[in-house]
Amino acid sequence: SQTIHQWPATLVQPVGSPLSLECTVEGTSNPNLYWYRQAAGRGLQLLFYSVGIGQISSEVPQNLSASRPQDRQFILSSKKLLLSDSGFYLCACLAYGYTFGSGTRLTVV
Amino acid sequence: AQKVTQAQTEISVVEKEDVTLDCVYETRDTTYYLFWYKQPPSGELVFLIRRNSFDEQNEISGRYSWNFQKSTSSFNFTITASQVVDSAVYFCALTQNSGGYNKLIFGAGTRLAVHP
Repeated sequence: SQTIHQWPATLVQPVGSPLSLECTVEGTSNPNLYWYRQAAGRGLQLLFYSVGIGQISSEVPQNLSASRPQDRQFILSSKKLLLSDSGFYLCACLAYGYTFGSGTRLTVV
Repeated sequence: AQKVTQAQTEISVVEKEDVTLDCVYETRDTTYYLFWYKQPPSGELVFLIRRNSFDEQNEISGRYSWNFQKSTSSFNFTITASQVVDSAVYFCALTQNSGGYNKLIFGAGTRLAVHP
């Protein structure tokens, strides 16, 4: 079964600073990969999904971008963070079922 | 459009009470999957169950049971004899096929607090 590694677990960043969150997958190849965001006390919102290397679809307009440089690597980035980017970010993989990473709690100050 | 509604924002019960978490969904897909996930305070999502749209048989797993009714587009989750460790946020989710790609659409979640 697939395993997702997501880091860092927590991150505090100042407004205007860049962001890079990394997600890697083990145990499968050519998975669909997803980035979700959960604002405090809210549900999970799909931000990006990818069906292959270099293929990224954005669900909502925002200050973030995603990239998939390798089959099992999915990166979430921002050039300049906003306060509203604070939240809990989860990477997910769809191969034989949906598997979620342990999440990154981002606080923008 | 696909949508998942969890009308109960928060539920508070006393230990050993039974509790049902409601989930109502909307979809245009003829084939779809429904999920329940548990999110403890640590934040990770714990998979509980997956049910496909052609299987309306109710399922029981220990103290957990699920009632899937296509006629009412509902997939409710019952915890019998609740325990403090059941305290968490519970999410219902629905797959959406979009241009041949599969996505998971979540409800807003229900926060369950079980008190001793």
